[in-house]
Amino acid sequence: KNEVEQSPQNLTAQEGEFITINCSYSVGISALHWLQQHPGGGIVSLFMLSSGKKKHGRLIATINIQEKHSSLHITASHPRDSAVYICAVIIGNTPLVFGKGTRLSVIA
Amino acid sequence: EAEVAQSPRYKITEKSQAVAFWCDPISGHATLYWYRQILGQGPELLVQFQDESVVDDSQLPKDRFSAERLKGVDSTLKIQPAELGDSAMYLCASSRLAGVDQYFGPGTRLLVL
Repeated sequence: KNEVEQSPQNLTAQEGEFITINCSYSVGISALHWLQQHPGGGIVSLFMLSSGKKKHGRLIATINIQEKHSSLHITASHPRDSAVYICAVIIGNTPLVFGKGTRLSVIA
Repeated sequence: EAEVAQSPRYKITEKSQAVAFWCDPISGHATLYWYRQILGQGPELLVQFQDESVVDDSQLPKDRFSAERLKGVDSTLKIQPAELGDSAMYLCASSRLAGVDQYFGPGTRLLVL
């Protein structure tokens, strides 16, 4: 059974700090999602990646398929970045397998 | 930009009552997913549809939960009777094909009293 582990579980940062959230998984995957969930509950897909690195604004996602590891970075963090960040993996055509999420609080 | 629609956004019910949630996926998306997310946990798949057919419902508690997507477009998830442990966020997602990027709806937050 594939396990998706995220760290840290909770993270508090000061506004402007550089933030890293990590995700590791145990079996081969075809792709990995980084998702953002705000307190209201809706989920937004930030990235889907299968290799290398993607950047969107202040967000950067990297993945190392050989090491079965991905990271989500937030540069110049802002209070509006406060949310739960969830890593989810795709194995073939099977449904997403989700991590438990990392709760980020950015304090002004 | 097209979005996945869900209703209601919030539902409070008493245990043993019936509840139903509705999802309208993005137009043209053949694959539809229902997830349940308990507070503090990641979502878990309840059921996956490919068009009108159920592809995976192995984690659906079939004694009380049912899901349908009769015309392969919108979908309904029903719980009867609701139990206290069903309190959770119910998320719907859709994708053009299985295994590609999923788009999530805003979710229905259920509280069973």
